[in-house]
Amino acid sequence: AQRVTQPEKLLSVFKGAPVELKCNYSYSGSPELFWYVQYSRQRLQLLLRHISRESIKGFTADLNKGETSFHLKKPFAQEEDSAMYYCALLAGGGNKLTFGTGTQLKVEL
Amino acid sequence: KAGVTQTPRYLIKTRGQQVTLSCSPISGHRSVSWYQQTPGQGLQFLFEYFSETQRNKGNFPGRFSGRQFSNSRSEMNVSTLELGDSALYLCASSPVGGFTDTQYFGPGTRLTVL
Repeated sequence: AQRVTQPEKLLSVFKGAPVELKCNYSYSGSPELFWYVQYSRQRLQLLLRHISRESIKGFTADLNKGETSFHLKKPFAQEEDSAMYYCALLAGGGNKLTFGTGTQLKVEL
Repeated sequence: KAGVTQTPRYLIKTRGQQVTLSCSPISGHRSVSWYQQTPGQGLQFLFEYFSETQRNKGNFPGRFSGRQFSNSRSEMNVSTLELGDSALYLCASSPVGGFTDTQYFGPGTRLTVL
């Protein structure tokens, strides 16, 4: 069975500091990985997916199959980045997402 | 384009009762998934429907069931409610499903079981 681990419940950084939200996964097949974000009083929404290899709002994430990790990074944190971040894995066909427990990012001034 | 809508937004039930939650996907989306969110277990996948057929199922007891109608609207039903069923139930829709799709989430239905 697949599993997604986000070791930090809360990550607090200062504005302008680098951010790294950790995500590790276990899955025997070839994983499809995503980061979802939930801003205060908003719906859960997709931030980025590994297959696109894109940068969204300055965030990037690289899939490291050797370390089974998909950490989310941003070089300079902004106040508006404060939110709950979930790492998720899609396995098999369809839309069955396995989520990590989430990391609350707090960017302090 | 209107987003995913869920009704009702809040529900209070007592143990032993049953409940039906509704989800209207974005127009044109044929895949609807349901998730349970609790402080202790986080976000857990319940099931996914595509073209009126259950395509994926999570590890929940048979008290949890769902269905999808020809217009892609979906309902989930929980019978014989237990205190532990108190949660936020999220619905998500996407065009067809799969890793190239984007799942769009609804605001959720907050279920409280007393």
